[in-house]
Order: sequence, then structure tokens, then C-alpha cells
Amino acid sequence: QVQLQESGPGLVKPSETLSLTCSVSGASTSIDYWGWIRQPAGKGLEWIGRTYASGIDFSPSLKSRVTMSVDTSKNQFSLKLSSVTAADTAVYYCVRERPNGNDWRDFDYWGQGMLVTVSS
Amino acid sequence: EIVLTQSPGTLSLSPGQRATLSCRASQSVNSKYLAWYQHKPGQAPRLLIYGASNRASGLPDRFSGSGSGTDFSLTISRLEPEDFAVYYCQHFDHTPPIYTFGQGTKLEIK
Repeated sequence: QVQLQESGPGLVKPSETLSLTCSVSGASTSIDYWGWIRQPAGKGLEWIGRTYASGIDFSPSLKSRVTMSVDTSKNQFSLKLSSVTAADTAVYYCVRERPNGNDWRDFDYWGQGMLVTVSS
Repeated sequence: EIVLTQSPGTLSLSPGQRATLSCRASQSVNSKYLAWYQHKPGQAPRLLIYGASNRASGLPDRFSGSGSGTDFSLTISRLEPEDFAVYYCQHFDHTPPIYTFGQGTKLEIK
């Protein structure tokens, strides 16, 4: 059974960098596509970006502030979002894109989500 | 960038009734990249439908997806108490690679 678990500070000050880590069990971060999605309170889901063996893709609206990396030795991947504001307050989910041989594009496993609040 | 618009925003129905949720794309999309999720409070979203009409593993057959081009729908034939949740449609575009979600439809008990 694949499991994902987010970790990191739940409170970040404005203008600082939000840092989250996703620990994966039951699957390998050295293969497949791994990403981040967030949900501000009362709003819908927003894709942040993804990382995979040959690259990284980001949402155009966040691209200038996002960094992602993978630590295959720890089977983890991480997200950094710089220069945060109150608008970045959200529940952050780490996700796996469902691996398949037919180019379906969707998410089969999600972490439980972690609330990150941006406040001084 | 493609925008997905879901309607209605809230749908109030009773158990046993039929629910039809709509997802409209701002331009024609490849139905292969259209998916639906169910999201309950405090839980991770759950993949229901992929490729517009394919049920995810273990999904009851009361759930079905359909549509093409710009108009897609998720139908729940006979609502069970556990079906009341928020539902999102999602699309993937290859160029550039980006996922977008609709704003969601809240399915509530009447």
C-alpha cells in the first residue's frame, strides 16, 4: 500500500520560505511523477508542480517562487515556496501521479494534507 | 490555460436520488485527460473517474462519467449517505504540462 505523509512547519512568517517534505512508503520516488497540490480555506484545489526522473514542471502562476527536489536515498521529495504571503495559507497535499501505460493523467495517492499558515 | 467551470456550485439532494454534476472546459479538451475526484472534510481527495468515463479501481458502479469536447458530467445514479462530499473535475494539458481543477461542486443532503 502506497502512503504519503507531509511534514514541515505549520506556521511561516510573511516573506519567508515555506518548506515541506513528503515521505513515501510502498513506492519509489526514483520512478513515477510526484507533486504538490494546495487548497486555500474555502477554495478549490490548485496544482503547484511535479518532479520526475527527467525534470520538473511548475504552475505558471507559482513558477518564479517554487523549488522542488527529490531525495531518493530517503524516499522523500520536497517543496520550497519563497516570499510567501497570506495568500499562500493553505492545506498542502503531496501526491503521486498514477503510473500507467496509457498516458492517463491523474492522481491516485495523496497525503493527508498539511495546513500551513502564513502569519507574523 | 484551460479553465474548468463546474455547476452547480451546490447540489441539494436526498439519498436514493440521482445526481448529475457538470464540468465545462473553456476550450475543447482531450477527454483522456479529464478526471473526477471526491473530497470529504479532513480526508485526501479520492480519484473516481479517469479518462472522462473510466471508473477507478473499487469504485461502485453507481458512479459514471461521460462527455467529450467541452462538456463533461459525473452521475451518481442512486445517492448513498457516504456520497455527500465535494466533487472536483481535473484536466491535464501536455503543452506546457499543467493540471487544472474546477472550483468544485458541493453535494449536500437535502
